[in-house]
Amino acid sequence: EVQLLESGGGLVQPGGSRSLSCAASGFTFSSSDMGWVRQAPGKGLEWVSALSGNSYYIYYADSVKGRFTIFRDNSRNTLYLQMNSLRADDTAVYYCAKLVGAPRRQQFDSWGQGTLVTVSS
Amino acid sequence: QSVLTQPPSVSGAPGQRVTISCTGGSSNIGAGYDVHWYQHLPGTAPKLLIYGNTNRPSGVPDRFSGSKSGTSASLAITGLRAEDEADYYCQSFDSSPTAWVFGGGTKLTVL
Repeated sequence: EVQLLESGGGLVQPGGSRSLSCAASGFTFSSSDMGWVRQAPGKGLEWVSALSGNSYYIYYADSVKGRFTIFRDNSRNTLYLQMNSLRADDTAVYYCAKLVGAPRRQQFDSWGQGTLVTVSS
Repeated sequence: QSVLTQPPSVSGAPGQRVTISCTGGSSNIGAGYDVHWYQHLPGTAPKLLIYGNTNRPSGVPDRFSGSKSGTSASLAITGLRAEDEADYYCQSFDSSPTAWVFGGGTKLTVL
């Protein structure tokens, strides 16, 4: 059974940094493309970032480009999201999700329960 | 504002059929990229409902079906049940710039 467990959420001040982790199990992590999707309070789902199994391909939404960094440690079956220069509009539940399918036709077939990041002074 | 447009809400009585539309453009759905659908209950992990426009993952009832035409896609739910009350999102890929894109979500209310 695929399991994705996010951690690292919490309260952070505007301009601060936060690192999220996602521990994966139940599938071959190193060959799976992964991503982060967030949901701000009262809003819909928003894709944040994605990377390929070998970390060769990395993509970011314009809203986080230059501030967030996605990376992975395949030896630890863990996905990360380093968030810097945080703003109030980054407040959201952050979901880790597994991507499947052919390039550019991929869907998120497994999701974690999410971790809440609140940016506030 | 989401790249893909969905109605904010739909409703139906138990047993009825409802559809949820998802409209995109020439750089996403209209470019031939697949549309996928998710069901999301507050406080839980989103669940993949339809992938590749029309396919159901194992375990998803055949009451749920998807279709795609041109720059739009639709999710149909027949035989509505109280447990179907949730938020539904469409998702596709956009090439300009490279991004996975979601619709704004549709809240389904079972009357």
